[in-house]
Amino acid sequence: GAGVSQSPRYKVAKRGQDVALRCDPISGHVSLFWYQQALGQGPEFLTYFQNEAQLDKSGLPSDRFFAERPEGSVSTLKIQRTQQEDSAVYLCASSIRTSYNEQFFGPGTRLTVL
Amino acid sequence: AQKVTQAQTEISVVEKEDVTLDCVYETRDTTYYLFWYKQPPSGELVFLIRRNSFDEQNEISGRYSWNFQKSTSSFNFTITASQVVDSAVYFCALSEAQAGNNRKLIWGLGTSLAVNP
Repeated sequence: GAGVSQSPRYKVAKRGQDVALRCDPISGHVSLFWYQQALGQGPEFLTYFQNEAQLDKSGLPSDRFFAERPEGSVSTLKIQRTQQEDSAVYLCASSIRTSYNEQFFGPGTRLTVL
Repeated sequence: AQKVTQAQTEISVVEKEDVTLDCVYETRDTTYYLFWYKQPPSGELVFLIRRNSFDEQNEISGRYSWNFQKSTSSFNFTITASQVVDSAVYFCALSEAQAGNNRKLIWGLGTSLAVNP
């Protein structure tokens, strides 16, 4: 596709449920990033992939968060046993290389945990 | 420590006014990149500009201009003759070298700009 797409756009989960958020990066982009954006805040880095390799997961807030990109294209962010503090917009971005390139963002998935 | 500060939380102007959004950064690296992104009400972050640490030339793109000054660690963004469509949250971000060739962005808290007709 022309841009980064994410699905679903909105997700409501009951506390304790598992959720999976999908990101389709721009075709051919090597790097993929996940960010978490709370209301009224800037994005916070979660994790980074170069192709299928997860090179940095230092921003994942707990071991309930897991991300994968098995074929170096589509990525999934999974949150297990969701809690209310997980409510946020989850943004995916891709960039063409691993150098200082601009990152192109998807529309985000707004997760609400009740 | 790496940090980006956008001291202006909210700005409100009347259409056609000029407005400057401030960004101050902290980094220990000599090589880094600075970015501005726009986040309209729809939520999707839109890339505006990237500037590397070795290029202090100011840049102009239409009604947008950027002033990068290493001496004051600032990278300010000016919109000339603002329009209602400029209403959005604007984020300044910093990218520096990380282990593993990571290029994660460090973000400011954003400045919410409201341009009123």
